[in-house]
Amino acid sequence: DQQVKQNSPSLSVQEGRISILNCDYTNSMFDYFLWYKKYPAEGPTFLISISSIKDKNEDGRFTVFLNKSAKHLSLHIVPSQPGDSAVYFCATGNTPLVFGKGTRLSVIA
Amino acid sequence: DAGVTQSPTHLIKTRGQQVTLRCSPISGHKSVSWYQQVLGQGPQFIFQYYEKEERGRGNFPDRFSARQFPNYSSELNVNALLLGDSALYLCASNPGGPSYNEQFFGPGTRLTVL
Repeated sequence: DQQVKQNSPSLSVQEGRISILNCDYTNSMFDYFLWYKKYPAEGPTFLISISSIKDKNEDGRFTVFLNKSAKHLSLHIVPSQPGDSAVYFCATGNTPLVFGKGTRLSVIA
Repeated sequence: DAGVTQSPTHLIKTRGQQVTLRCSPISGHKSVSWYQQVLGQGPQFIFQYYEKEERGRGNFPDRFSARQFPNYSSELNVNALLLGDSALYLCASNPGGPSYNEQFFGPGTRLTVL
């Protein structure tokens, strides 16, 4: 039973446009969430996080939104760049990390 | 600063064999975790060690074992390998206690079981 769900296996976006990656979770006790980015042949790299006391966290081109009532979070990348092409994982931050299956983002120049 | 390092990078084994994977955490990090990532899935938690003690174990059979050494490096052992053990094995470390949220991942060891 998946506790963290990323229902879109892939997403293709034009360079300069917004990329929106979605994630749903089942356990309302989860109170910290992270996004990781993974390139081929590399380990996941931390991107941005959000605590349940906030509904938005911004870091440069990356913004994460949290909707606790819907148990949903999303990662917005604006503007998208070709170097953003990678697999993005949503994870709960409550130890141990529980990951979604990932969404492969392709940014087309 | 050196990140998390893992060895070997790639490994090919046959069914029934045993394998040992190694991990060196970031200097100063005392907590090490192991994750298995099967193709098309997210990383799945196997073990966490903190200060040389096991602090968490995922839903994996007893064929999987691990340990942490006094210098905080760690080994993951898998006995009686099955085809389904083919995966990317990721090691992650963090500087704080076992409840520290962010994990820093190594590049992984790609294990292929034939």
